Amino acid sequence: SQTIHQWPATLVQPVGSPLSLECTVEGTSNPNLYWYRQAAGRGLQLLFYSVGIGQISSEVPQNLSASRPQDRQFILSSKKLLLSDSGFYLCACRGLVSVSPLHFGNGTRLTVT
Amino acid sequence: GEDVEQSLFLSVREGDSSVINCTYTDSSSTYLYWYKQEPGAGLQLLTYIFSNMDMKQDQRLTVLLNKKDKHLSLRIADTQTGDSAIYFCAESMGNYGQNFVFGPGTRLSVLP
Repeated sequence: SQTIHQWPATLVQPVGSPLSLECTVEGTSNPNLYWYRQAAGRGLQLLFYSVGIGQISSEVPQNLSASRPQDRQFILSSKKLLLSDSGFYLCACRGLVSVSPLHFGNGTRLTVT
Repeated sequence: GEDVEQSLFLSVREGDSSVINCTYTDSSSTYLYWYKQEPGAGLQLLTYIFSNMDMKQDQRLTVLLNKKDKHLSLRIADTQTGDSAIYFCAESMGNYGQNFVFGPGTRLSVLP
């Protein structure tokens, strides 16, 4: 079964600082990978989606970017954080068959001060 | 367009049954899912149902699907305090089921 590792678990960063959140996946090859953001008490917002190395689809234009340098590695970045970037960031993956559900990591709580 | 709706809050007494409802709009959905999120944690897959089924039971969980009305429900029997969490309904679409749309989540509070 798939295991998703996300780090760090919590992060406090000042406005204008850079960001790098990492997600790695075990137990599957060539997965679809996703980054979601969850604002406090709110639902999930899809940020980025990747079907393979170097292939990134952006769902929401903003100051965040994503990269997939390896098959099972997905990185979320920002050059300059905004206050509005605060939230709970979740990495998810799924296999390639149509029945595959999304499996989520434990998330990173980002607070921009 | 794609939209999944859920009521935001539900309170039940410990030992009672909980029923969490969800409506979706895309009739081409292939699978429908229920996820549970405990405080500070990621989403945990509880169960899923294929769109050509109308019911699935898994221990205390029963999923009912009314495809005509695009209505999905999750029933939790003998609700316990450990069931307190946010429950998300989701549908998958696309040629390979790769596009997921989530509801806003229902916060279930279990009262002693």
